Amino acid sequence: GENVEQHPSTLSVQEGDSAVIKCTYSDSASNYFPWYKQELGKGPQLIIDIRSNVGEKKDQRIAVTLNKTAKHFSLHITETQPEDSAVYFCAASIFPNDYKLSFGAGTTVTVRA
Amino acid sequence: EAGVVQSPRYKIIEKKQPVAFWCNPISGHNTLYWYRQNLGQGPELLIRYENEEAVDDSQLPKDRFSAERLKGVDSTLKIQPAELGDSAVYLCASSLSANEQFFGPGTRLTVL
Repeated sequence: GENVEQHPSTLSVQEGDSAVIKCTYSDSASNYFPWYKQELGKGPQLIIDIRSNVGEKKDQRIAVTLNKTAKHFSLHITETQPEDSAVYFCAASIFPNDYKLSFGAGTTVTVRA
Repeated sequence: EAGVVQSPRYKIIEKKQPVAFWCNPISGHNTLYWYRQNLGQGPELLIRYENEEAVDDSQLPKDRFSAERLKGVDSTLKIQPAELGDSAVYLCASSLSANEQFFGPGTRLTVL
């Protein structure tokens, strides 16, 4: 099955700086890569996703890049704010045939004011 | 629009006791998922329903776990008997077919 590895496990950044989280996946058939944000006491919430026919996608301060050859994808958060502090999870699946999301272990991001 | 509702939010039980979790998905979502999230880990799929049919339960420990989704709406996940290693957050999610999965807040289970 799919194996997703995520780094780093914790990340502390100064407010206004950028944060980068990297993930690798093992199954070359995976073609859908969502990122989730989980705040304390809440379920994961989708913040951005990318499909394999796209190399980069941006939504305001959040961007995701995908390198299918190397089987890795990254989340970039620019101009970080205190409300960006949370646990971030990457995931991979084979869309639309396989609904199963394989998650990374998560990155705890702390934005220092 | 109401999100995915789960209850209870917290449950503390002693080992060997039974426990049940309830999930009400977003209205109209035909696909429902139960995930288990261990401390410091990402969610892991236990079972997926398409309407009332369990179409992927390969990761569900069937000796002690059971689930049902009567009438294709609400769902219940049960553990009997619970073991210490079952302590985790149990997340329910729903989606409209293969589209975005929306997660509930989860039930945090502690087995003593």
